[in-house]
This record gives sequence, structure tokens and C-alpha cells, in this order.
Amino acid sequence: SYELTQPPSVSVSPGQTASITCSGDKLGEKYASWYQQKPGQSPVLVIFQNTKRPSGIPERFSGSNSGNTATLTISGTPAMDEADYYCQAWDSSTVWVFGGGTKLTVL
Amino acid sequence: QLQPQESGPGLVKPSETLSLTCTVSGGSITSSSYYWGWIRQPPGKGLEWIGSIYYSGNTYYNPSLNSRVTISVDTSKNQFSLKLRSVTAADTAVYYCARGRLGTYISWGQGTLVTVSS
Repeated sequence: SYELTQPPSVSVSPGQTASITCSGDKLGEKYASWYQQKPGQSPVLVIFQNTKRPSGIPERFSGSNSGNTATLTISGTPAMDEADYYCQAWDSSTVWVFGGGTKLTVL
Repeated sequence: QLQPQESGPGLVKPSETLSLTCTVSGGSITSSSYYWGWIRQPPGKGLEWIGSIYYSGNTYYNPSLNSRVTISVDTSKNQFSLKLRSVTAADTAVYYCARGRLGTYISWGQGTLVTVSS
């Protein structure tokens, strides 16, 4: 079965740029999405179709997907972005798969 | 905005069937623009996709759960449901229903905790 690998944790200083990676075989040939989940809350979609932001998601969130790696980038990270982030891949053969999640710490 | 919301028992006995319902508000569940899915999250762990259903009735299931899962739609009630058979403690999780499009899940319910215990 298809698997996605994320680092368990990433740290960033307030105001700096955070990058969270998601790796999978030929991931660049699939659609990648990213979700933010804060404690006790449901996941919120922040990036879909590799690079697109839903309405209401700040411009500091951006995404890329090429080769075997998708990346979520948060520019000028504020403390409020401290959360768990999950990648998810889809194509007609993969169906839907989630990565293991990355805890982003802003300190 | 189509919004899903989960409901169902919070406690299920081992070996029994977990049954949850997702009620969709703000529009018709039969919209061809969307599909509907179930995702779960064991306490302190990550997200696991369970399955999805399209407006056409086509269903897709996680291979690891395929033999135990059924997802169906009741268009008269604007609901879709999840049945997971032969549950064990490993099925204890927060279960989310969600609305999807273009390979992603756009909006999620608030989630419901289901505990498997005798």
C-alpha cells in the first residue's frame, strides 16, 4: 500500500519560514493536500491540488510538489500557526492516503 | 456551504458493529460536485482515511479496512453512514465525516469519539 512519510516534528522561530516535507513514491504525480489541526479541533484544509489555497487561508501558506516530495511552507510564521500538519495524497489508483503528521512548534 | 456533522453511539462493545451517521446541512448530498468520506484519528495519533462515497454511489475503501467497512448514502435524509464490523479496541478513535472535491477534503465535521470497550 502507498505510504507518505513526514518528520514527526519541526521547530521554527516566530517570524521565520517553516518548511514541512512529505515524501512518497512518485508523489509529484499525485495531488497533494495539507491540513492544519490544533488541539481538540477538526483538521482544516490549508493547501489543495499541490499549490492552491482555499478562501480564507492566509497567503503565508504555500505548497509545492515535485518528484517524491511535497512541501508545505509557512512564511513569517506567527505563534498561532503552532499545530499538527498532515499531508494527504490522492490519485485514481492511490485513493486517499494521509501522512503520519508533523508537530510544528513555534518558539 | 455544505456542512457535515457526525452522530452515533460513543461506546461500542468488542466484536460488535460501529454505526455512525453524517448529516449534511446547507444543501443536497447528491450534488455532483462532491464526494463524502470518513476519516478517523485514534487518541494521540494521526489521521487514517476509512472510505469515500460519490454521488453516483461508487465507494472506495482503505484496503486495510475493506473487509469490515460499508459506507452508504440515504438521499431522502441527506445523510451518509459508516458501518465498521467486528470492532476491537484498536478501532477506538475520533471519527470524522467530511466533504470532498478534487482529491481533497474541503470541510470536516466536529468529530465524534467512539470507544470500543466491554
